[in-house]
Amino acid sequence: DSGVTQTPKHLITATGQRVTLRCSPRSGDLSVYWYQQSLDQGLQFLIQYYNGEERAKGNILERFSAQQFPDLHSELNLSSLELGDSALYFCASSFRGMNTEAFFGQGTRLTVV
Amino acid sequence: GNSVTQMEGPVTLSEEAFLTINCTYTATGYPSLFWYVQYPGEGLQLLLKATKADDKGSNKGFEATYRKETTSFHLEKGSVQVSDSAVYFCALSDKKGNTGNQFYFGTGTSLTVIP
Repeated sequence: DSGVTQTPKHLITATGQRVTLRCSPRSGDLSVYWYQQSLDQGLQFLIQYYNGEERAKGNILERFSAQQFPDLHSELNLSSLELGDSALYFCASSFRGMNTEAFFGQGTRLTVV
Repeated sequence: GNSVTQMEGPVTLSEEAFLTINCTYTATGYPSLFWYVQYPGEGLQLLLKATKADDKGSNKGFEATYRKETTSFHLEKGSVQVSDSAVYFCALSDKKGNTGNQFYFGTGTSLTVIP
């Protein structure tokens, strides 16, 4: 158990809909990262938050947005969903130290039908 | 900029064979280096790490040495088991510490070990 909790574990929704994925980082971790993993594109970095502020942005679509709340949990919002958004979405967290690793949650499997 | 390049897969080995998965990196500064493993249906787990040049990370029979001169961090195991079948990711972190480290992952190498 990494200590990072993601909900829900599975989500099936229709095209055009909007969903929210939730992530609770490990206790004390200030950084939260979101990744998308699909079969043909590997692990794609979406966005990073550090202590409530956006820190870095990767290949995140304009239809997607995220935020980190004062209690440090984070939500990833995906809207106007398309079939191609079907993927595993991982959240990871890390502590503030320079030599620390990222700890990953079990992921949310999103299926858009 | 920072990036990680790792060996394309898939890799198929017989049980007890020697494993090498190559990883090279490009970085500004002196990053920390990691190997993560992803078993089917699970999230990524840290396998080992090294935080400075010449450090050797090791875990569960796997090891990798941080080579600054060749900018490499190759993963090795002397004798693989069927249970090692997984996807392996090489990664680096830019050590920004108090503003939040950024992580850069390779594309992953799928390993299948056959009995």
